[in-house]
Amino acid sequence: GESVGLHLPTLSVQEGDNSIINCAYSNSASDYFIWYKQESGKGPQFIIDIRSNMDKRQGQRVTVLLNKTVKHLSLQIAATQPGDSAVYFCAENKGTSGTYKYIFGTGTRLKVLA
Amino acid sequence: GAVVSQHPSWVICKSGTSVKIECRSLDFQATTMFWYRQFPKQSLMLMATSNEGSKATYEQGVEKDKFLINHASLTLSTLTVTSAHPEDSSFYICSAIGQDPVSSYNSPLHFGNGTRLTVT
Repeated sequence: GESVGLHLPTLSVQEGDNSIINCAYSNSASDYFIWYKQESGKGPQFIIDIRSNMDKRQGQRVTVLLNKTVKHLSLQIAATQPGDSAVYFCAENKGTSGTYKYIFGTGTRLKVLA
Repeated sequence: GAVVSQHPSWVICKSGTSVKIECRSLDFQATTMFWYRQFPKQSLMLMATSNEGSKATYEQGVEKDKFLINHASLTLSTLTVTSAHPEDSSFYICSAIGQDPVSSYNSPLHFGNGTRLTVT
């Protein structure tokens, strides 16, 4: 299977501060990207997505930035709250038309400090 | 909307037995379901892609005779871990995508809550 079998890096952020989680993707042909949040013992939960024809997209308290030149994706969380503590994964769609193979990045554990 | 239900949420079985995990899309029809495996503190590893009414496509290194996948309807896919061994212990997660392949090509996956398998 495709994935990166590395242990998760951790980002510790003070409650109320902004968080920035980064992700490097592998395929320059990928045209769709998603950020997921995974809490312990649960499946991933959709946060926000972005297509390759955009470089920024905003949601509620979250912003995703896409830099296709360096194949980099970031998730910004404004005013981080304790409930944001989780593991965050980026996923890229590597499929050709008619297929949708989603590959997940390594993941980052976000710890919100009170 | 877009709820995916996975059952059981956890299972303990003895080595050599088989275990079936179900994945259901509750409020939409899923032409494609994906099965992932996740080890502690690691990312999700795609095991196979399951299309309704056809054979699953397995990722390199995943034994298709070990991990049997059946996608008999637009709302149900099953993963059977056959002759389970302790090294099969893991967190298995399914996901699904909606029916229209054109509009669903770039759509987020919806995940179940996973099944924790422990083989003793």
